Amino acid sequence: QQQVKQSPQSLIVQKGGISIINCAYENTAFDYFPWYQQFPGKGPALLIAIRPDVSEKKEGRFTISFNKSAKQFSLHIMDSQPGDSATYFCAAKSNSNSGYALNFGKGTSLLVTP
Amino acid sequence: EAEVAQSPRYKITEKSQAVAFWCDPISGHATLYWYRQILGQGPELLVQFQDESVVDDSQLPKDRFSAERLKGVDSTLKIQPAELGDSAMYLCASSLQGVNSPLHFGNGTRLTVT
Repeated sequence: QQQVKQSPQSLIVQKGGISIINCAYENTAFDYFPWYQQFPGKGPALLIAIRPDVSEKKEGRFTISFNKSAKQFSLHIMDSQPGDSATYFCAAKSNSNSGYALNFGKGTSLLVTP
Repeated sequence: EAEVAQSPRYKITEKSQAVAFWCDPISGHATLYWYRQILGQGPELLVQFQDESVVDDSQLPKDRFSAERLKGVDSTLKIQPAELGDSAMYLCASSLQGVNSPLHFGNGTRLTVT
């Protein structure tokens, strides 16, 4: 059962363009929403994260937008570069008694063309 | 920067054989996770440890999978017997104790069952 739904599955963007990846969730107990970046042959690495008490968080060229009422959040990559080509995963977790494990989306494969 | 160490990097085994993976988390990280990542999918939690105790193993196929973290440091994940459907990347991650401590992933073990 996929608790976090991610789209699109793949994305091609020209260098300098804006890459946008969207995620949606149903579990209102989720209160932490990170994005991970994964290069081939590597493990995922934390890119940026947000709590639901803010609507936007920006770190360099990466911005998370969060819409609590719609239960959606998105990653925007400004001025996309070929080095950003990777797979991006959104995730969510709740601080329930069962632990603090992350629930991941299925991923978006981003290709930034020169 | 400290890293999560995993070995082996690649493992090819025949179905019905036993296979084991090893993980050494970042020093001081009390929480350790084993995730399985099927090609083209997001990571899915198999088991979570807090020190040497299992916090969540609800998604671990216990008829064939076992995990241990005897001294609360490194951990071993075992599959016996392996099945064709077990072919995947097995990722270990660790984090400091705390509700939103970021997960640090290793580079995984790529398992192929023939």
